Amino acid sequence: GDSVTQMEGPVTLSEEAFLTINCTYTATGYPSLFWYVQYPGEGLQLLLKATKADDKGSNKGFEATYRKETTSFHLEKGSVQVSDSAVYFCALIRMDSNYQLIWGAGTKLIIKP
Amino acid sequence: EADIYQTPRYLVIGTGKKITLECSQTMGHDKMYWYQQDPGMELHLIHYSYGVNSTEKGDLSSESTVSRIRTEHFPLTLESARPSHTSQYLCASSASAEAFFGQGTRLTVV
Repeated sequence: GDSVTQMEGPVTLSEEAFLTINCTYTATGYPSLFWYVQYPGEGLQLLLKATKADDKGSNKGFEATYRKETTSFHLEKGSVQVSDSAVYFCALIRMDSNYQLIWGAGTKLIIKP
Repeated sequence: EADIYQTPRYLVIGTGKKITLECSQTMGHDKMYWYQQDPGMELHLIHYSYGVNSTEKGDLSSESTVSRIRTEHFPLTLESARPSHTSQYLCASSASAEAFFGQGTRLTVV
């Protein structure tokens, strides 16, 4: 079945460091891909998305490119801030399967000042 | 800003009590979901609904039940709470691809 695998956390970085959180997926068909973020004590919110191969999603300085050849959707940010500390979830949805979301396990990001 | 609300935010309750976690959305979304989030943060789908009078069990076995009598309302009920039910419960809704989440209910059963 469809699945999402993301790198284990926690990921600990210093402020202004470069961030990469890896995400790979297995799916038949043509899934849309998402990154969600969960700040402490909150629900999840959509960070960015990409709906087809080679699309780049971006928001708040974060970027991710839909790579069909490597089945990946890695999250990147050039210079992280303390306020980016959160849990990040990679997910996919298959439009041909009743929009069921498939989630990665989440990666906790800790940014130290 | 997402218009999906969960109440209560925090609940501490004794073993054996019946509880209902409320979830309401004002966006007219057909699809609604309940997730259980464990301390390791992973999300587990426990119930979902694709419309009024439609409910399905998710991937994680749960002793809870849900109902969907109105589009905007998707309550989750535990008939007899146990310490193993202690967790964070997240409600979400969607119209198509993007899911909108409530702030969650942190349940502690003592």
